[in-house]
Amino acid sequence: SQKIEQNSEALNIQEGKTATLTCNYTNYSPAYLQWYRQDPGRGPVFLLLIRENEKEKRKERLKVTFDTTLKQSLFHITASQPADSATYLCAPRANQAGTALIFGKGTTLSVSS
Amino acid sequence: EPEVTQTPSHQVTQMGQEVILRCVPISNHLYFYWYRQILGQKVEFLVSFYNNEISEKSEIFDDQFSVERPDGSNFTLKIRSTKLEDSAMYFCASSGGGSKADTQYFGPGTRLTVL
Repeated sequence: SQKIEQNSEALNIQEGKTATLTCNYTNYSPAYLQWYRQDPGRGPVFLLLIRENEKEKRKERLKVTFDTTLKQSLFHITASQPADSATYLCAPRANQAGTALIFGKGTTLSVSS
Repeated sequence: EPEVTQTPSHQVTQMGQEVILRCVPISNHLYFYWYRQILGQKVEFLVSFYNNEISEKSEIFDDQFSVERPDGSNFTLKIRSTKLEDSAMYFCASSGGGSKADTQYFGPGTRLTVL
């Protein structure tokens, strides 16, 4: 069955540093992968989407890489701020409109000032 | 910016009672979804809905659950006879058509507490 693993449940870093979160998947070949942010008691918020033919995608301080050989995506937040503290979820997906998002457990990032 | 809205924000019910959770997806979106998140656990897919019918459902979505789009704007999730283990946050999501179906936009959730 499909399995998604995110590197650690919790990641603590200091303000200004780069946070790197890992998402590994097994037993399927997604056409693209999405990253979402979830704050406590709130719904997930879409951040970035990267397709299988893209190696890297950037949006402001965020950067995502996608290695289909390693079956891994890395999510980077540069110059991290306390406001970046949240749980980050990855969701690899098949290329079919309207299909379910299958999320990993997420990594909870805490940025201290 | 358009948003998915959900009502109520918190629902408390007795075990065995029926509950209906309501969602207003983003207008002109074509795909609608329900997810749930039990406290401390991951977000889990329940069901997706397209063109007035269920397009996909998980094993969680058994006969106790049903979905409906009663009019052009609302999307509901009904649980016929609630169990203690149905206590969770329920999130509605929607996505557009074509390439815009890739990204799902989530509502703020309804916290369901079954006593």
